[in-house]
Amino acid sequence: KQEVTQIPAALSVPEGENLVLNCSFTDSAIYNLQWFRQDPGKGLTSLLLIQSSQREQTSGRLNASLDKSSGRSTLYIAASQPGDSATYLCAVMGARGSARQLTFGSGTQLTVLP
Amino acid sequence: DAEITQSPRHKITETGRQVTLACHQTWNHNNMFWYRQDLGHGLRLIHYSYGVQDTNKGEVSDGYSVSRSNTEDLPLTLESAASSQTSVYFCASSDGDTNTEAFFGQGTRLTVV
Repeated sequence: KQEVTQIPAALSVPEGENLVLNCSFTDSAIYNLQWFRQDPGKGLTSLLLIQSSQREQTSGRLNASLDKSSGRSTLYIAASQPGDSATYLCAVMGARGSARQLTFGSGTQLTVLP
Repeated sequence: DAEITQSPRHKITETGRQVTLACHQTWNHNNMFWYRQDLGHGLRLIHYSYGVQDTNKGEVSDGYSVSRSNTEDLPLTLESAASSQTSVYFCASSDGDTNTEAFFGQGTRLTVV
């Protein structure tokens, strides 16, 4: 059974810092990995999708990397802003058993201090 | 713009009552999913569908059912609501291909008293 772990569970940084969020998964047989952002009381907003054949994806100040063989992904946020404060979730779409489902980590709660 | 909407956003119900949560998407996606989100457990898959008339059980399906009569809708029914089903419920959809993004609704907060 696929398990997804995110470290740290919570992170507090001053505005302007660059930061890295980590995600690891136990089964490297995946189709893709997706990073989401969740604001309090809101739904999930897709940030980046990395397919299993890709090493990284970039969108603005966000860069996500994927090392499928080691079961790891990182989300890099450059020049953090208070508006980046949210919970960040990673999810993998497994290639074994029932496909097209996402298994989620528990998230990293990020606070960017002004 | 295409979207996925859930209703109601908030619901309070009594133990033992039947409750149905609605999910409607205009992406024309084949795949639809229901998750519940609880502190300490993250997001867990309840039921999913790969197309009309197709439904499948997820990790935590006991006490829930779904039906898929058209592409746009996947209602989630709690047959006899229990306090353990107090949670935030999210609906999601994705295209048929395995390498496309999943899009989520805004969630329904359900309280069973």
